[in-house]
Amino acid sequence: GENVEQHPSTLSVQEGDSAVIKCTYSDSASNYFPWYKQELGKRPQLIIDIRSNVGEKKDQRIAVTLNKTAKHFSLHITETQPEDSAVYFCAAEFSGGYNKLIFGAGTRLAVHP
Amino acid sequence: GAGVSQSPSNKVTEKGKDVELRCDPISGHTALYWYRQRLGQGLEFLIYFQGNSAPDKSGLPSDRFSAERTGESVSTLTIQRTQQEDSAVYLCASSLWLAGEPDTQYFGPGTRLTVL
Repeated sequence: GENVEQHPSTLSVQEGDSAVIKCTYSDSASNYFPWYKQELGKRPQLIIDIRSNVGEKKDQRIAVTLNKTAKHFSLHITETQPEDSAVYFCAAEFSGGYNKLIFGAGTRLAVHP
Repeated sequence: GAGVSQSPSNKVTEKGKDVELRCDPISGHTALYWYRQRLGQGLEFLIYFQGNSAPDKSGLPSDRFSAERTGESVSTLTIQRTQQEDSAVYLCASSLWLAGEPDTQYFGPGTRLTVL
């Protein structure tokens, strides 16, 4: 069935360190993989996304990698800052292109000064 | 421009009552989605609308849940005979529809539903 698994569920790092969050998905037809950041009590906000025609995408301190063969993708945050502390959700598009997103369970990232 | 808006922001109701949640998408966004987020958990897909196509209701958890959308504007999610397990934040998102390519979903602030 449609499933996205996300690890770890919690992640604690020191300011300046890197953070990596990994997701696997079940539908080999998925072509779109967004990452959302959700601060406490706020709405999810898109931080980066990747489509299946590329293997990596970067935006300043954030990068996402995609391995379609293995059906997994990862979020990399470098030089972490306290304001990066939030819950991060990965998602994968299912059901053939109309953007039905199945979300992972989330990773609570804490960046300590 | 204005983002996705939802109302009410908070709703407290008694078990067995019906509730109606409203979503105003970003103007021009033809696709609209409803999700449920239980405390400390991820987002659970409920239903999707795209233009005049039949909605995808595959995520609705029971027949107590229904949703409607008028054209490409407002959507309402109705929960009948609410149960305590319905307590959650209900999030709405909208996106452009770009000829077979999914586009970014923008989320509203959510409605926090508490069923006593």
